[in-house]
Amino acid sequence: QITLEESGPTLVKPTQTLTLTCTFSGFSLTTGGVAVGWIRQPPGKALEWLALIYWDGDKRYRPSLKSRLTITKDTSKKQILLTMTNMDPVDTATYYCARTRIFDYRGSFDIWGQGTMVTVSS
Amino acid sequence: EVVLTQSPGTLSLSPGERATLSCRASQSISSSYLSWYQQKPGQAPRLLIFGASTRATGIPDRFSGSGSETDFTLTISRLEPEDFAVYYCQQYGSSPTLTFGGGTKVEIK
Repeated sequence: QITLEESGPTLVKPTQTLTLTCTFSGFSLTTGGVAVGWIRQPPGKALEWLALIYWDGDKRYRPSLKSRLTITKDTSKKQILLTMTNMDPVDTATYYCARTRIFDYRGSFDIWGQGTMVTVSS
Repeated sequence: EVVLTQSPGTLSLSPGERATLSCRASQSISSSYLSWYQQKPGQAPRLLIFGASTRATGIPDRFSGSGSETDFTLTISRLEPEDFAVYYCQQYGSSPTLTFGGGTKVEIK
C-alpha cells in the first residue's frame, strides 16, 4: 500500500521558519521517474504547487516562493522535508505532499497525503 | 509562465445532467501533461484524468477528458450525487514546472 503522511507544527508565528515532513511508504524515491511534491491550499482557495524533488535529486520550486523554500529528501528514512522561511499569515493553509511518476502519470499526482493545516499567527 | 484558467467558476446542475468544465492555458502546453482532479470538502484531491484523456485507476467512465494546446475539457456524462465537488486542472512541464487552475465547483441545482 502506498501512503504519504505530512507532519509538522500546526501553529507558527510570523517570521518563523516552517519545517514540514512527508513520510512515505510503499514506493522508493530512487526509482526512475518518481518525484514527490508539496502543494498547499489556503482555506477556501485553490491548490498551489510549491516544490518538487525528483528521484535523481533534482529540485524545482514555485518561482514566486523560491527564495523561501527548500525541499530535501532522506531516502533511508523515506522522508521529504520542506522548509519555508519568514512565514506570514497569508501562508496559512493546508499543506499536502503527493507522489508523481513522471513517465507513467505525466507529472500528475496519483497519491496524496491527507494534508496538514498550518496557521500563521502571533 | 503558463496560467491555467478554469471556467465556469461554479456550475449548478442536477443529478443525471451532463457537466462540461473548461481549462484554458495561457500558452500551448503538451496534452500529455494535463491532468484533472476532484476534491471534496475536507479531503485531499483525487486524480481523475492524466495525459488529458486517460482515466486514472478506478475512475468511472462517466468521466472523460479531451483537448489540446490551450483548450482542455473535463466532461462528466451523467452526474451522480457523489460527483458534486470542486475540480482542478493541472499542467506539468511548462514553466513554471507545475501549475494548477483556479478550480470549478460543481454544485447541486
